[in-house]
Amino acid sequence: DAGITQSPRHKVTETGTPVTLRCHQTENHRYMYWYRQDPGHGLRLIHYSYGVKDTDKGEVSDGYSVSRSKTEDFLLTLESATSSQTSVYFCAITPGQGETQYFGPGTRLLVL
Amino acid sequence: KNEVEQSPQNLTAQEGEFITINCSYSVGISALHWLQQHPGGGIVSLFMLSSGKKKHGRLIATINIQEKHSSLHITASHPRDSAVYICAVITGGGADGLTFGKGTHLIIQP
Repeated sequence: DAGITQSPRHKVTETGTPVTLRCHQTENHRYMYWYRQDPGHGLRLIHYSYGVKDTDKGEVSDGYSVSRSKTEDFLLTLESATSSQTSVYFCAITPGQGETQYFGPGTRLLVL
Repeated sequence: KNEVEQSPQNLTAQEGEFITINCSYSVGISALHWLQQHPGGGIVSLFMLSSGKKKHGRLIATINIQEKHSSLHITASHPRDSAVYICAVITGGGADGLTFGKGTHLIIQP
């Protein structure tokens, strides 16, 4: 299995609070992604990174920001969490464009 | 934006049956993934293909680029194959992530 972890694995927070999710990889892969998974919508891309300090928006980026200061870490921040951001968040990594993506175990976030 | 459609959405079958899950997409792609997700579990890539056919154990994936269609087959299905199967496509260079179908929820009854 690819060395990819996410923290925390579960989080309950209140509306309006900031939340940061961490994705950590030990594979030295260049590309990293944040997806969210919701019933009825499936998986959707939030943000992605193609290198240190190089990030771009995905399909559902509103309300989220990301940072990548080191190859191994990709952080997803909800500046002010809302109930609509209750979801399961998956990080994924890949060594190159168009190659197999490896997924982290997911983070379950509940915003009350 | 690529639209990815899967069918069926739900499938219940008996152990031993031959299973087919279909995926179609609207825009030309560079590659297609089939992913598996067990209940409450993580997501595992089963196949990535850009042409033809791939086989791994009892799983076979095919793709027809001209028709914008892919199928995932499971031979001699087993209850441990019960999972959600997700089709995902890479459009363009692939740096900007995957576009996913909504998944097929498969239950294999003993």
